[in-house]
Amino acid sequence: DTEVTQTPKHLVMGMTNKKSLKCEQHMGHRAMYWYKQKAKKPPELMFVYSYEKLSINESVPSRFSPECPNSSLLNLHLHALQPEDSALYLCASSQGGRMNEKLFFGSGTQLSVL
Amino acid sequence: SQQGEEDPQALSIQEGENATMNCSYKTSINNLQWYRQNSGRGLVHLILIRSNEREKHSGRLRVTLDTSKKSSSLLITASRAADTASYFCATDHLQGAQKLVFGQGTRLTINP
Repeated sequence: DTEVTQTPKHLVMGMTNKKSLKCEQHMGHRAMYWYKQKAKKPPELMFVYSYEKLSINESVPSRFSPECPNSSLLNLHLHALQPEDSALYLCASSQGGRMNEKLFFGSGTQLSVL
Repeated sequence: SQQGEEDPQALSIQEGENATMNCSYKTSINNLQWYRQNSGRGLVHLILIRSNEREKHSGRLRVTLDTSKKSSSLLITASRAADTASYFCATDHLQGAQKLVFGQGTRLTINP
C-alpha cells in the first residue's frame, strides 16, 4: 500500500461548525504533514508530526488543531473557521523523521467555509 | 521567505514538443525536488536531486541542478496531453529544520 488516504474529499461547513479532516497511511512512514493550498498557489506547511510528536507548528491559528493518534493516522480538527480558511487541505507523509525527504501526498480535502 | 521561484509561471506548448521549467532559490540546500499536481489533486513526487548531483533522469524527465547559480531545470521531452499539470520545485535549507518550501509553480498546458 503506497497511498495516503484523506477523508472527506469535499467539506462544506459553517463558521460555527466543528469538523475533522482525516488522513491515513500504511507505509510505515514516521513523519506526517498538513499543508494548506489556495487556488493557483503553492502548498503551505501547517504542521509536522515526527514519530507521533508535533515537531513543527507554522504559527497556525488555534482554530486548527492537529492530532496524531498513532503512527498511521493524522487528524485536523476544525472549529470556528473563517471564509478565508477555504482551501485544499493536503496531508503528506515521509519515510523517516527528516522533513526534506520525498513526500507522499493524499488527494486532499476541498474545504469551503460559508 | 519563499525559497524557490519558478519560471515561467505558465507555459503552453504543442503535444510532442519539449517543455522546460526553471527554479531558482536563494540559500544553500541539501536537495531539490520536483512535484506534479493535476488540478485540484494531491502532489506527486517526480525527482529528488541532491546538492552534490548535477543531473538526473527518470523516463522522459531530466532535471539539472547548478548550485553555483542556485537554479534547477526540469525538462519534459516528447510532451503528452497527460503532462498538463502544475509543476512545483521544493527546496530545503542546508541549516535548520530542513523542511521543504514549495515554489510558486509552473502551469503547463499541452495542446493536442
